[in-house]
Amino acid sequence: DGGITQSPKYLFRKEGQNVTLSCEQNLNHDAMYWYRQDPGQGLRLIYYSQIVNDFQKGDIAEGYSVSREKKESFPLTVTSAQKNPTAFYLCASSKIGGAAETQYFGPGTRLLVL
Amino acid sequence: AQTVTQSQPEMSVQEAETVTLSCTYDTSESDYYLFWYKQPPSRQMILVIRQEAYKQQNATENRFSVNFQKAAKSFSLKISDSQLGDAAMYFCAYASGTYKYIFGTGTRLKVLA
Repeated sequence: DGGITQSPKYLFRKEGQNVTLSCEQNLNHDAMYWYRQDPGQGLRLIYYSQIVNDFQKGDIAEGYSVSREKKESFPLTVTSAQKNPTAFYLCASSKIGGAAETQYFGPGTRLLVL
Repeated sequence: AQTVTQSQPEMSVQEAETVTLSCTYDTSESDYYLFWYKQPPSRQMILVIRQEAYKQQNATENRFSVNFQKAAKSFSLKISDSQLGDAAMYFCAYASGTYKYIFGTGTRLKVLA
């Protein structure tokens, strides 16, 4: 089955700790995205990547970092600089980058701060 | 800047009835795409329907259809013969240019048995 997997489902972060959220896709999609979802708000774009070894900041990139070393993988690191990391994080992918392409989403990771 | 507004935080519908969810957007672009996504309690976002702005015909997918009014910048979603499984958050999204989706704040749909 083709799809997007995210792990873990729940993640707990201690103060001052960096944590990494995993996103893997086997859809052979070039473009991948990370969104943050907070209660009462829509999804907000953190980072996106249109091709391997290339990525750009979205609207709320501060306190986050990403890498794109493989086409299938786009991990997100929440650094200690992100002061309010508690949220639901969604990874998405599309065949290529661009507004015309439908984005497909993973099941998400809930990050909680201890 | 483009914005997407969903003015109904919550809606209810009786099972088998029809409900319409509203979405308006603001843009100066002429070429763009609009989407409705469903987020059930599992929280995975699922595409319901998409509309290309250059198409005048309203998109339909089984029980789901849209009323796309380009001049009014309105993109409402109609769900016919509502089912219990339709209960979810519904997000309207706008996309233009290279990559960016802009999402509304969502409408929670409750389906009453």
